[in-house]
Amino acid sequence: DAGVTQSPTHLIKTRGQQVTLRCSPKSGHDTVSWYQQALGQGPQFIFQYYEEEERQRGNFPDRFSGHQFPNYSSELNVNALLLGDSALYLCASSLKYGGAAFFGQGTRLTVV
Amino acid sequence: GQNIDQPTEMTATEGAIVQINCTYQTSGFNGLFWYQQHAGEAPTFLSYNVLDGLEEKGRFSSFLSRSKGYSYLLLKELQMKDSASYLCAVRPRRDGQNFVFGPGTRLSVLP
Repeated sequence: DAGVTQSPTHLIKTRGQQVTLRCSPKSGHDTVSWYQQALGQGPQFIFQYYEEEERQRGNFPDRFSGHQFPNYSSELNVNALLLGDSALYLCASSLKYGGAAFFGQGTRLTVV
Repeated sequence: GQNIDQPTEMTATEGAIVQINCTYQTSGFNGLFWYQQHAGEAPTFLSYNVLDGLEEKGRFSSFLSRSKGYSYLLLKELQMKDSASYLCAVRPRRDGQNFVFGPGTRLSVLP
């Protein structure tokens, strides 16, 4: 049983560019959330998708957008990249009313 | 507002017991979670409390007091592989994954 998988694992982008990160949830899970984790800090909630719609959103600008597909996989898009967007981006999946969230290995994004 | 506080760093000796404390103030409460995160890796789920009291899972135990906004993670028989960051997280709403994470406690286990 595959857990949560993310791609790519590492990415280097130039300031001002756009990036798309991908996530496949754990089998049987229908809810996907995205988190940003800066070095030495805890993850910060970006948004959550359920039934292909954004259901909750954290304190992130509109440059951060996402999508959920019918197979429950998800994408995170970030436009107009800033140096401060450099971080580990984590995808987590669970059932909507489930207990723990299970995390993927993350995508390390570096903006130069 | 949402605020979770935990010590930044702790050090303990192999074979010992360590307690990592977490205090929280959140707009809602539907469970407190503990995750372990090794450097450069994803957080892995350790323990979950929704009611007051102690939950035991092998060498790991977690305690919750909702009235005090307080939890702790207890690690027994420490091993070198337990050196990692330990994240305390609260889920404010029942229908969601918008966990509010603390800054993490970096635990170093020394021989």
